[in-house]
Amino acid sequence: DTGVSQNPRHKITKRGQNVTFRCDPISEHNRLYWYRQTLGQGPEFLTYFQNEAQLEKSRLLSDRFSAERPKGSFSTLEIQRTEQGDSAMYLCASSIPQDQLSGYTFGSGTRLTVV
Amino acid sequence: DQQVKQNSPSLSVQEGRISILNCDYTNSMFDYFLWYKKYPAEGPTFLISISSIKDKNEDGRFTVFLNKSAKHLSLHIVPSQPGDSAVYFCAALAYGGTSYGKLTFGQGTILTVHP
Repeated sequence: DTGVSQNPRHKITKRGQNVTFRCDPISEHNRLYWYRQTLGQGPEFLTYFQNEAQLEKSRLLSDRFSAERPKGSFSTLEIQRTEQGDSAMYLCASSIPQDQLSGYTFGSGTRLTVV
Repeated sequence: DQQVKQNSPSLSVQEGRISILNCDYTNSMFDYFLWYKKYPAEGPTFLISISSIKDKNEDGRFTVFLNKSAKHLSLHIVPSQPGDSAVYFCAALAYGGTSYGKLTFGQGTILTVHP
């Protein structure tokens, strides 16, 4: 297992277009998180899945954002009608329960630039 | 509201000396605290953690101190090495209830270790 994989690594899109990112967690991890990081800030929580169930969504996740995790494996994050303010690094992390002291495993992120 | 704060955007130290990175939090429900290290174009990497029932945790050159009454924690790196140069994030976790283990991050501190 090579860890958490995110694709694509970089995405440049025009304002108003839709984009979709993919995250493949560590196979035995049933918890999956999406975070967003903007320049000069720490990662901010977006949403959380336990298996295929989306259990929590941040108020940062506007109705233009949707995330799925079909079959509790990989996850996708879609942004519709992108805006320049969506430009950020989108990070995915996975974990197992009782993992609170060993840290979650993050992917390398997808850097989105909206022009 | 910024529940986890790292008030020093940057820190510069000489190789071999001690690096001290600080973090303050406001939410008394946090019961786990973690430090992550991040290189450019990579996701955060877990470094060390501490439970709120402890006041110190040590792992090699890295020691985290927790002062619950002051809602303050610090990461000490001794001796500092040039390879430690990175962005360091403090993160906090309120485990249980409906939080599902989501991490709340500080803004990060850029550490530069000069040879």
